Amino acid sequence: AQKVTQAQTEISVVEKEDVTLDCVYETRDTTYYLFWYKQPPSGELVFLIRRNSFDEQNEISGRYSWNFQKSTSSFNFTITASQVVDSAVYFCAIRTGANSKLTFGKGITLSVRP
Amino acid sequence: DTEVTQTPKHLVMGMTNKKSLKCEQHMGHRAMYWYKQKAKKPPELMFVYSYEKLSINESVPSRFSPECPNSSLLNLHLHALQPEDSALYLCASSQRTEGLVGLAKNIQYFGAGTRLSVL
Repeated sequence: AQKVTQAQTEISVVEKEDVTLDCVYETRDTTYYLFWYKQPPSGELVFLIRRNSFDEQNEISGRYSWNFQKSTSSFNFTITASQVVDSAVYFCAIRTGANSKLTFGKGITLSVRP
Repeated sequence: DTEVTQTPKHLVMGMTNKKSLKCEQHMGHRAMYWYKQKAKKPPELMFVYSYEKLSINESVPSRFSPECPNSSLLNLHLHALQPEDSALYLCASSQRTEGLVGLAKNIQYFGAGTRLSVL
């Protein structure tokens, strides 16, 4: 079975600060996929990124960047120069093997204050 | 376009009512999912349909009855619900359920959900 731990529950920052959301995963499978989703107050889960277990290349997309490290089983997400619109719940998730089931972490509530 | 449309957005029902939730996608996806999300909790998988056939039922009570009439449409029929069933119900779709290496086919795209209140 797989597991995702998001130890941070709530983070509050002032606009323009950088913030890192932590994600630690557990799995015995050698092939797996990691995901980050954003859930604003409207409720929709918005897909942000997917990473394969065999691709440790980090990624930057605008103000967002992701740091995938298999050695520490971590897939952390950094928002640079945060904005009020970044306020949301952020979920890290894992999918393994041929199982279509996404296992989510408990989510991190990010509040960005003006 | 990665749009999954769910109707209604809000639903209030009594414990003796019968209602249905609807989910639609026109991305050509052949896998569709129902999730239940309680407040301040992560989504929990309920059902998975693959090529219009039910492939996963996560031991969901029979008062929830899914239906996939065609590859674009997914329904969730509700009957004799309990107040503890009040939650946000999310639908998702992906190109496929199977397949692993180097594919984008397993990315699940979610709708905005139906907020259900059972009185």
